[in-house]
Amino acid sequence: QKEVEQNSGPLSVPEGAIASLNCTYSDRVSQSFFWYRQYSGKSPELIMSIYSNGDKEDGRFTAQLNKASQYVSLLIRDSQPSDSATYLCAVLGASKIIFGSGTRLSIRP
Amino acid sequence: DVKVTQSSRYLVKRTGEKVFLECVQDMDHENMFWYRQDPGLGLRLIYFSYDVKMKEKGDIPEGYSVSREKKERFSLILESTSTNQTSMYLCASTRRDKGKDTQYFGPGTRLTVL
Repeated sequence: QKEVEQNSGPLSVPEGAIASLNCTYSDRVSQSFFWYRQYSGKSPELIMSIYSNGDKEDGRFTAQLNKASQYVSLLIRDSQPSDSATYLCAVLGASKIIFGSGTRLSIRP
Repeated sequence: DVKVTQSSRYLVKRTGEKVFLECVQDMDHENMFWYRQDPGLGLRLIYFSYDVKMKEKGDIPEGYSVSREKKERFSLILESTSTNQTSMYLCASTRRDKGKDTQYFGPGTRLTVL
């Protein structure tokens, strides 16, 4: 089992709809969780971090964390074509951050 | 703003050549990391460093070495390149904020080994 798992996609969502990206992790003691966005040919860019159970909102982005289920998600409201990218989930382990392999999101006009 | 810079955006080398990739961060971060990213394999950690002159192996250290002589600078060395080292190389720097590490990436170096 991978330490951080994501569906590779592609996930296709119509413009204006909500995009939902999911991630599960295996280390129960993890405390810090991150979502990165990566455009093709570019480096990852941090868009959200979450540390406690529940929801955290920042503009059109909402991160959700459920430590009991070892599950973290990212919702993107009012999806725009500029949101088309690969989204990486990352979890802070005992000594380093562990990345999922990413979900490719495509917003169709 | 955190700034992580890498010495080259694109490099083309021939098999057997030595490659030196440099990463510099300007925010006094203790922790620095080198990753490679390949399609379908995601980000894989090569080496990391928690302090000057300290280094730790990541998941795929074979064929690589690193150097951390100054806090702001972390170098990745490929002593003798091979074609399977063709990849995107990403450097990252971590800010430790009340135990909530936040990792910032440089722009990446795309290395092609012919």
